[in-house]
Amino acid sequence: DAMVIQNPRYQVTQFGKPVTLSCSQTLNHNVMYWYQQKSSQAPKLLFHYYDKDFNNEADTPDNFQSRRPNTSFCFLDIRSPGLGDAAMYLCATSRPKGLGSTEAFFGQGTRLTVV
Amino acid sequence: AQKVTQAQTEISVVEKEDVTLDCVYETRDTTYYLFWYKQPPSGELVFLIRRNSFDEQNEISGRYSWNFQKSTSSFNFTITASQVVDSAVYFCALSEEGSGANSKLTFGKGITLSVRP
Repeated sequence: DAMVIQNPRYQVTQFGKPVTLSCSQTLNHNVMYWYQQKSSQAPKLLFHYYDKDFNNEADTPDNFQSRRPNTSFCFLDIRSPGLGDAAMYLCATSRPKGLGSTEAFFGQGTRLTVV
Repeated sequence: AQKVTQAQTEISVVEKEDVTLDCVYETRDTTYYLFWYKQPPSGELVFLIRRNSFDEQNEISGRYSWNFQKSTSSFNFTITASQVVDSAVYFCALSEEGSGANSKLTFGKGITLSVRP
């Protein structure tokens, strides 16, 4: 059974129209991450939550926001998508360090197309 | 700052050949974690292995083996007797102890492995 679930798998949005991607987990992990992966590139961390604490990467554009209403769910909001935001968005979870294995578990990703 | 280099971009082999994927890393932390992930065409990143910086033992899991050498800052991955199902993009990644309680990953650019029948 999938442990990190992302919906939808494919999302098409219009240039400038706000879009929300969702992620849920059944692992009860404290930490949730959002990565952006553009075509043929490595995943790049946008931000992460440790419980309710939000941690933004320094180079993440303001256009990207996130919400985590509870342990299980995390959302990625793109306020005004541009053509350059077309990418695969990957959600991941992990335990905090010091609590055993810390590998990140990834969802299947949402492929975002901006038209 | 941390960095992961996967110098190979694409590798093509014939089924049953052995193949080694190279990974070189840079970090200032003395404690860090190294990972390999597989990304099949479906897109999901599948965890393969984690290695702590203080554990240089090589590991074998079925057809997969990993060679961690701190002296050369390398963490290479070998697939023995490759199969078509091994075709995927393989990422090496690094997480530093200094990054806090989370496991922020810095990825290499990935290696596209194609295994032909």
